[in-house]
Amino acid sequence: GAVVSQHPSWVICKSGTSVKIECRSLDFQATTMFWYRQFPKQSLMLMATSNEGSKATYEQGVEKDKFLINHASLTLSTLTVTSAHPEDSSFYICSARAGLAESLRGYFGPGTRLTVT
Amino acid sequence: GQNIDQPTEMTATEGAIVQINCTYQTSGFNGLFWYQQHAGEAPTFLSYNVLDGLEEKGRFSSFLSRSKGYSYLLLKELQMKDSASYLCAPMDSNYQLIWGAGTKLIIKP
Repeated sequence: GAVVSQHPSWVICKSGTSVKIECRSLDFQATTMFWYRQFPKQSLMLMATSNEGSKATYEQGVEKDKFLINHASLTLSTLTVTSAHPEDSSFYICSARAGLAESLRGYFGPGTRLTVT
Repeated sequence: GQNIDQPTEMTATEGAIVQINCTYQTSGFNGLFWYQQHAGEAPTFLSYNVLDGLEEKGRFSSFLSRSKGYSYLLLKELQMKDSASYLCAPMDSNYQLIWGAGTKLIIKP
């Protein structure tokens, strides 16, 4: 099956610093990548959707200047949390999907746990 | 609006059968996914239904009724490792998955 990796798997950073999370599709080309955030015991919350070569579409309430998403190639998307604060501490998960003509299914990465101190 | 309704928590016994129900309302419909999520991990895919009826895959089966906006996940021969949250996620007309809080399944020996 298709494999999606995320790096790092966990990160601790100080308040005010920026953190970059990478999401890679290892054996397929991801036309679309989704970024989610999940707080403990809560549902997955879609933050943004990005199509390769286009600007990301952010969900309502998600600050695009704070959560920078780059999807520069068909196998890599990055999420940068700028000027992180303790309330940004969460589990960030990406999902990658090939073209809709191929499959509607997205493949999740293993997630990145961010702790901001 | 779009919404998902699943029980918050269910408890079952090892070796038994459990059915997790899901009702949904979406703007358009492009199928429904079920995912399993263990605590602290990303969701893993279990099944996808786009037509009415039952899809069987080993110990897990998923059923869909589009006219009723209803699906269920059936887990047979429960094992302790099945303790997890189960997420019902229909896909809307924009090919976006709609997520609820899921059902936490607790398996007891």
